Amino acid sequence: GAVVSQHPSRVICKSGTSVKIECRSLDFQATTMFWYRQFPKQSLMLMATSNEGSKATYEQGVEKDKFLINHASLTLSTLTVTSAHPEDSSFYICSAPRDTNTGELFFGEGSRLTVL
Amino acid sequence: GNSVTQMEGPVTLSEEAFLTINCTYTATGYPSLFWYVQYPGEGLQLLLKATKADDKGSNKGFEATYRKETTSFHLEKGSVQVSDSAVYFCALSERGNKLTFGTGTQLKVEL
Repeated sequence: GAVVSQHPSRVICKSGTSVKIECRSLDFQATTMFWYRQFPKQSLMLMATSNEGSKATYEQGVEKDKFLINHASLTLSTLTVTSAHPEDSSFYICSAPRDTNTGELFFGEGSRLTVL
Repeated sequence: GNSVTQMEGPVTLSEEAFLTINCTYTATGYPSLFWYVQYPGEGLQLLLKATKADDKGSNKGFEATYRKETTSFHLEKGSVQVSDSAVYFCALSERGNKLTFGTGTQLKVEL
């Protein structure tokens, strides 16, 4: 079964509103989670690393104020897309490492955001 | 920086055909290498991995060998099935758990 869960799986919102996406590790604790954005031609772009108890680390070119990340607990990270615009429409995927030695990540099912 | 290059898709094969999806990488050190698969409507799942040179990862009939001399990690399967239709991502991890992905290759297997 799934070990990382995302919610919601699909969300449609109006331009200018904010949307929150949750990512939970189900049977393990994750001090670090990763947020990816998947573009229509399939490429996965790492947006940021979510760190429990400290600020997220954003990749170059990712707007911190647009994509707010909060790692509220050892099993929950949230991504909030603020003042969403149609160009923010995408598939957002979170992941968490259960084995910090091997680099293996477990991925959530993804959240499809559509901004009208 | 690190990068992963994989062949563009879509790749369309008949059932029982041989599959190869090429993947090459650029890294400054000695990365771990992975193949992830994304079935329609689902999240990414780890298919196989190799953590050092000459290691062979295998799972569900798929194989890939970590070739340091050619910086490659090509995915192969001797006989594909319709159920193998998915998008396949090659990836590497050099420090911690930060993955660098290739662009993905869509595989379509037809009867």
